[in-house]
Amino acid sequence: AQSVAQPEDQVNVAEGNPLTVKCTYSVSGNPYLFWYVQYPNRGLQFLLKYITGDNLVKGSYGFEAEFNKSQTSFHLKKPSALVSDSALYFCAVRADRGSTLGRLYFGRGTQLTVWP
Amino acid sequence: GAGVSQSPSNKVTEKGKDVELRCDPISGHTALYWYRQSLGQGLEFLIYFQGNSAPDKSGLPSDRFSAERTGGSVSTLTIQRTQQEDSAVYLCASSPDRAADTQYFGPGTRLTVL
Repeated sequence: AQSVAQPEDQVNVAEGNPLTVKCTYSVSGNPYLFWYVQYPNRGLQFLLKYITGDNLVKGSYGFEAEFNKSQTSFHLKKPSALVSDSALYFCAVRADRGSTLGRLYFGRGTQLTVWP
Repeated sequence: GAGVSQSPSNKVTEKGKDVELRCDPISGHTALYWYRQSLGQGLEFLIYFQGNSAPDKSGLPSDRFSAERTGGSVSTLTIQRTQQEDSAVYLCASSPDRAADTQYFGPGTRLTVL
């Protein structure tokens, strides 16, 4: 079965500091990995994805994520955090085959707070 | 271009009533998904439509829930005899037809069952 774990409910960082939001996954077959961000009372907004190729994926708003197959991780990173990055972040995985092909499995979400 | 749209944005209903939630996917997207977001359960998959194939209904929590997609475009999620535990935000997403494609989400419908 597919699953995602986001071990931190909250991450707090100061503006200008680097940030990391952690994600580990379990999937049958090869993983398709995604990060989404949700601002208050809004839907999910796509940030970036890993399908194949380079382990370091760059996405919107200066975010990047590193795929690590041996550690089954896909941590989200940004070199310099902004107050406007404060939001709820979701990691998701999708299998590349099988009966659950269509669906995304989400982590519980990590609330990122960046203080000035 | 236009994104995924959902209506209504908010719905308040009384326990036992039926509700219909609507989703308009991005034009040209053949895959459509419904998810539910609630405090206790996080984001849960409900149902997946892909072209003319039979939908994957395995995420629907009970037989009170059903969904249809007419003409390969607009989808309606129907909840019959609503219960308080149905209160949640219902999110719709669409994508092109490949498994690796990104799912793009609508703003959601917030359902409150009194």
